[in-house]
Amino acid sequence: EADIYQTPRYLVIGTGKKITLECSQTMGHDKMYWYQQDPGMELHLIHYSYGVNSTEKGDLSSESTVSRIRTEHFPLTLESARPSHTSQYLCASRGGARGYGYTFGSGTRLTVV
Amino acid sequence: AQTVTQSQPEMSVQEAETVTLSCTYDTSENNYYLFWYKQPPSRQMILVIRQEAYKQQNATENRFSVNFQKAAKSFSLKISDSQLGDTAMYFCALYAGTASKLTFGTGTRLQVTL
Repeated sequence: EADIYQTPRYLVIGTGKKITLECSQTMGHDKMYWYQQDPGMELHLIHYSYGVNSTEKGDLSSESTVSRIRTEHFPLTLESARPSHTSQYLCASRGGARGYGYTFGSGTRLTVV
Repeated sequence: AQTVTQSQPEMSVQEAETVTLSCTYDTSENNYYLFWYKQPPSRQMILVIRQEAYKQQNATENRFSVNFQKAAKSFSLKISDSQLGDTAMYFCALYAGTASKLTFGTGTRLQVTL
């Protein structure tokens, strides 16, 4: 059973719209991450957070922004969606020792038309 | 910097057979962790198995085992008695040193056939 939840699961939206992808976890994890997964399935880190009021840009430049006002919530926002934003977005979290790796959400598949 | 390389983009195996997925990595750190993740089609990515670098014994989880060759920086995944439910993308990943981010490989798409 997933302890990290992403909504919506699928989203089709028009160009220029503002969207927010939700990610919530119930495990009290400090560290949270957003990955963009391209059609070839490769994972690209776009944002991460070490805790409340902490956000950092990842390895892949992204036009999206994130916030971390509460430990359990790490939403990702696109102010103006474009077709190039079409992708799968995965949220993950980690608590405690690094040896336990990440827990992933089920992902949001975004299509911008 | 850490790197993870998966040189097999796609693999296929018949049900009940054994398959090995390859992964090599590079890090200058002595303290690190290695992982294999499984991502079934349209489903959540889940952890399959983990290995701590300072442990020489290879990790095993039911039908899944690893062959950890520290000197060669190799971390392969063996799936025994393959099942149709093993069809998925498999990602190798590395946590090294003080980094708080996992480094992922590009993935291997495994298809289990009848």
